[in-house]
Amino acid sequence: SQQGEEDPQALSIQEGENATMNCSYKTSINNLQWYRQNSGRGLVHLILIRSNEREKHSGRLRVTLDTSKKSSSLLITASRAADTASYFCATDFQGAQKLVFGQGTRLTINP
Amino acid sequence: DTEVTQTPKHLVMGMTNKKSLKCEQHMGHRAMYWYKQKAKKPPELMFVYSYEKLSINESVPSRFSPECPNSSLLNLHLHALQPEDSALYLCASSQVVGRSTDTQYFGPGTRLTVL
Repeated sequence: SQQGEEDPQALSIQEGENATMNCSYKTSINNLQWYRQNSGRGLVHLILIRSNEREKHSGRLRVTLDTSKKSSSLLITASRAADTASYFCATDFQGAQKLVFGQGTRLTINP
Repeated sequence: DTEVTQTPKHLVMGMTNKKSLKCEQHMGHRAMYWYKQKAKKPPELMFVYSYEKLSINESVPSRFSPECPNSSLLNLHLHALQPEDSALYLCASSQVVGRSTDTQYFGPGTRLTVL
């Protein structure tokens, strides 16, 4: 399978704490994206990091990419209850004709 | 307007029924996608349309039949489905196929139950 793996599968933290989730992938990529999915809903794009970038920030999100290890991490700082969702990394595949999603991390923020 | 709409939100059908899922976007995107998502799993790509032509079929059974009547609309025709086809069906669009910097915009999905 081309799908990546995410770690942990589930994460439960207190509001205000930081949440870190990791993604590993198998093939060379051009870019890596992170998406969020609220329960039973569509996915929302969060951030894209190019293969020649090592770190990228967007608001409370920080993404890192290590192409030598074929891995990426997503850090959410100062978590809020509204951050409760599943988070998926996605890598381009077959000349970027399609995205392949990782298995996802289910994040629960406890008030 | 950065919205992808999908109808219906929920669908219950018997194994002998014929039904259709509809997806619409007005962002001028020329790439449209169908995904299937089972509970606690990632979305799995089913079909990709590029400029209204089928570009990728991920070996999907013929009981699923996609159609792209114009650049804004994408349909998924369902016939003789099995209970294991019960899932959330997601539609997405992006500017073009094959540009890895493109974001995919997802609709809210259709929750399909096959009895």
